[in-house]
Order: sequence, then C-alpha cells, then structure tokens
Amino acid sequence: DGGITQSPKYLFRKEGQNVTLSCEQNLNHDAMYWYRQDPGQGLRLIYYSQIVNDFQKGDIAEGYSVSREKKESFPLTVTSAQKNPTAFYLCASNPGPGAPKNIQYFGAGTRLSVL
Amino acid sequence: AQKVTQAQTEISVVEKEDVTLDCVYETRDTTYYLFWYKQPPSGELVFLIRRNSFDEQNEISGRYSWNFQKSTSSFNFTITASQVVDSAVYFCALSEAPGNFGNEKLTFGTGTRLTIIP
Repeated sequence: DGGITQSPKYLFRKEGQNVTLSCEQNLNHDAMYWYRQDPGQGLRLIYYSQIVNDFQKGDIAEGYSVSREKKESFPLTVTSAQKNPTAFYLCASNPGPGAPKNIQYFGAGTRLSVL
Repeated sequence: AQKVTQAQTEISVVEKEDVTLDCVYETRDTTYYLFWYKQPPSGELVFLIRRNSFDEQNEISGRYSWNFQKSTSSFNFTITASQVVDSAVYFCALSEAPGNFGNEKLTFGTGTRLTIIP
C-alpha cells in the first residue's frame, strides 16, 4: 500500500529532552513537509524539503530541526529549545513542482505531549 | 501574504440536512490553488478537492459540491443530505501556483468542526 507513515502515534517528552518524529513515504514524492496543529489554529508549516539533502524553514521553525538524507524519509526533531511542544504533528508529501497533481498527501499524525 | 478565513468554528446539523462551509481567502497572486481537506477523528487529513484560480466552474462530486467565486474571494463547500460519517473538521487551504521550489506551501484556515446529529 502506498502512503505516508508517521511513528509513533503518541510520544511523550521529558523536560530538556530532544525527541524525533518519524515520517516515511513510499509514494516516490520529491517534496515533504512538517506541520504543527494546535487547537483552533489550523496547521502551521514547520519545515519543508523539495529534494534530498535540501530543506527550508517554514513559518515556525524555531526549536525544531530536520534532515533529508533519503527521498522517502523526513524526520523531525523537537529540541529542548521548543518550549511549548505539545501539539499534533502532521507530515505530508507532494510529487513536486511541475507534477500534474500538485496535491499534498498527509500521514496520520503524531501526538506529542510533555511529561 | 496569503490568508484563509473560515469564520464558522463549529456547525451542528441534523442528519440529512444540507450544510455549507464557508471559506474566504486573500492573496495578491493572480494564479493560485484552493483546496479542501477533511480531518476525521483519526487525525489524518484527507484531500477532497483542488481548484485552479482560472477555473471558476462549480464542481459536484456525489453529495459534495464546491462554489468558487473569484469576485468575492470565496470557495464554499456544501454537503447535501449530510450523514453521520461526514462529522469531521474541514480545512480550506490556499497555495501559490507550483513552479519554483517552495511554491507549494499551503496556507490553512483554522478549520470548521462539523457535527452531524443522527
């Protein structure tokens, strides 16, 4: 089955700890994105990557880091610098610029809470 | 800057009623795309429709229909004969036209929580 897999579904972070959220896609999509969803605020873009080994900051990148070493993987690290990490995190992918279907497809999300 | 406004925070209707979700957008671009996504309780966003700014034709897909009016910068979504399975949060989103890297970023509205009462 083609799709986007996010893991874990639930994650707990202790004070001062870095945690990494996994996002894997087997759709052969070039572009991948990370969003944060807070109640009543819609989705906000954290980071995005259009090609391997390249990524750009989104609107709320502070306290987060990413890597894109493989086309199918785009992990997000929530660092200790992110003071309010409790949220629902969604990963998305897109075929990329010029593709006939410029549509973002989403994973099932990871819910992060602070202990 | 782009902006999407979904003024209806929550809507409840009785099953089989029709319901319209409003979406108003702001952009300086002449070419752009509009989207609707559904987020059921499971959390995953499900793509419903994408509309090009040059195509103002309304679209119908089963019980779903979309009304795009450039003159009022609106892209409203109507569900006819609503069902309990339609209960979800619905998001309207806007993106610039694809082309150079980075132009596919989506700007989301804050969502409308729709509850269908059996």
